[in-house]
Amino acid sequence: KAGVTQTPRYLIKTRGQQVTLSCSPISGHRSVSWYQQTPGQGLQFLFEYFSETQRNKGNFPGRFSGRQFSNSRSEMNVSTLELGDSALYLCASSYGTGNNQPQHFGDGTRLSIL
Amino acid sequence: KQEVTQIPAALSVPEGENLVLNCSFTDSAIYNLQWFRQDPGKGLTSLLLIQSSQREQTSGRLNASLDKSSGRSTLYIAASQPGDSATYLCAVNEYGNKLVFGAGTILRVKS
Repeated sequence: KAGVTQTPRYLIKTRGQQVTLSCSPISGHRSVSWYQQTPGQGLQFLFEYFSETQRNKGNFPGRFSGRQFSNSRSEMNVSTLELGDSALYLCASSYGTGNNQPQHFGDGTRLSIL
Repeated sequence: KQEVTQIPAALSVPEGENLVLNCSFTDSAIYNLQWFRQDPGKGLTSLLLIQSSQREQTSGRLNASLDKSSGRSTLYIAASQPGDSATYLCAVNEYGNKLVFGAGTILRVKS
């Protein structure tokens, strides 16, 4: 069974640009969550999507948004990039939500802002 | 606001030692607690999930315990090996699939 796939693996952007990251969950998984990982703040929850609906959102500005498609694939978008957005962005998938199922993480997209 | 703390921040042990990693959390209203490992440049690998009604879970050389009332969990690794070297992360599941993570323990097992 294929794992969680995130594309691209690496991305370099400049301040003010926008970026879209993609996540394909494990087949059959309907929940996708996004996290930001930085050396200073550690891992922080961005948002969760289940059956195309945003179920929960972390404490991030509105520049961070996401969506989920009918095949459970998810994208997150960051607009007006800032230097502080440089991070590893991780996606996790799970069969359900709030049902004690483990979450499976992809290898992430490393975003660097110049 | 939930806060998760992991102690120690780093640990270096010789191969073969048994070791304990600690995790504490401030709000006991959780669905479950999960332990992950992260290798450099990689995502997270799920190790163990303990539901809020459970006291412990075991997988191979790993054993995790949960004391929800005191807000503590421990991860016990038996007979450590160099391949166990990684960052170990503790996370509590509060709502839906939202995880709140600790800062991690960096483990180095020397051969």
